Amino acid sequence: ELKVEQNPLFLSMQEGKNYTIYCNYSTTSDRLYWYRQDPGKSLESLFVLLSNGAVKQEGRLMASLDTKARLSTLHITAAVHDLSATYFCAVDMMKDMRFGAGTRLTVKP
Amino acid sequence: GAVVSQHPSRVICKSGTSVKIECRSLDFQATTMFWYRQFPKQSLMLMATSNEGSKATYEQGVEKDKFLINHASLTLSTLTVTSAHPEDSSFYICSGVGLSGYNEQFFGPGTRLTVL
Repeated sequence: ELKVEQNPLFLSMQEGKNYTIYCNYSTTSDRLYWYRQDPGKSLESLFVLLSNGAVKQEGRLMASLDTKARLSTLHITAAVHDLSATYFCAVDMMKDMRFGAGTRLTVKP
Repeated sequence: GAVVSQHPSRVICKSGTSVKIECRSLDFQATTMFWYRQFPKQSLMLMATSNEGSKATYEQGVEKDKFLINHASLTLSTLTVTSAHPEDSSFYICSGVGLSGYNEQFFGPGTRLTVL
């Protein structure tokens, strides 16, 4: 059975700091997605990673995918309060998608 | 592009009643739609996969007679929670997969169901 593990599950960081969220998965997949969810809201697509070595950046967030290691990372640079949210990775299983447990990020002044 | 809508956004009902939630792809044809359930502070759990014109495939542990899914067209799927009970209270999110060549899902805004 596929396992998608995110860590940390909870992350409290100060503004201006850097940090990385990790997403490990247990089976072969070449595609991985990152989403953001604000309280009471649905998912907002952040990144679509479609191949080994894919790296994408948007603002203070950068995502990468290593399909051989079955690992994706979401790196936060110089965090700001607006980044406070829950971040999910999701592994494309062809017929459907499996989500990690989510990382609840709180950025403090 | 790739917008998915859900209706209603919020519904409160009495125990024992049935509730229908609509999921529409507004600017693309969704060959496949997914229904997820999310309890507070938890991740999304896939309930079922529906393909237009065929029966939905339910995940293990999801009662197909309780959660009726109909995918009558390439732009509309409905989820009916029959004889709802308080434990069915949750955030229900649908998504649609288009014809982009890969399986990116586009998510609806969600429906908050509260069963009293």
